[in-house]
Amino acid sequence: NAGVTQTPKFRILKIGQSMTLQCTQDMNHNYMYWYRQDPGMGLKLIYYSVGAGITDKGEVPNGYNVSRSTTEDFPLRLELAAPSQTSVYFCATLDFPGTGEITEAFFGQGTRLTVV
Amino acid sequence: EDQVTQSPEALRLQEGESSSLNCSYTVSGLRGLFWYRQDPGKGPEFLFTLYSAGEEKEKERLKATLTKKESFLHITAPKPEDSATYLCAVHRNKLIFGTGTRLQVFP
Repeated sequence: NAGVTQTPKFRILKIGQSMTLQCTQDMNHNYMYWYRQDPGMGLKLIYYSVGAGITDKGEVPNGYNVSRSTTEDFPLRLELAAPSQTSVYFCATLDFPGTGEITEAFFGQGTRLTVV
Repeated sequence: EDQVTQSPEALRLQEGESSSLNCSYTVSGLRGLFWYRQDPGKGPEFLFTLYSAGEEKEKERLKATLTKKESFLHITAPKPEDSATYLCAVHRNKLIFGTGTRLQVFP
């Protein structure tokens, strides 16, 4: 049981390049989230998904895209990378069964992205 | 619009000096409020989930409480190893985090 796996852990991109940050979970959680965290700041929600085939924008979606074709995977796509996208990116999952209580949101180890 | 505000932004305590961190929120239909601890360069570490007003949870020197508008994280007799950033988050489909409180406990 690996939990939430993010790849890569580190990446340096040149301005204008594109890349996909991968997030995979093996807990069968419906809810998945992508966050960015700038130095000394809190977590800002980029996109989220409440289940396969359903995605929605968070607080800071511009410059990013997501897809959720399976329960397990929730990739984050950066198109035309800009220096402002230099940040640490976290993926998280949460199980909300509808009845009963949520336990916790599980986080991946993060991806440290630098755009130069 | 859902909002989460944490105060203070930063807090310096002497070892053994108890205090409280505040998390106020404006979310209709709250499903859960989370508290996390984050050390520099690491991901958030789960502390508590609270579901309804009046609920309290404890873990070692930490105690979290919840009302209809805010949550408090009480730290009793803190130690230097409690130094970290403490984050709260509210869930209603979205999971929105506050900006955190940076806690420093010095000997």
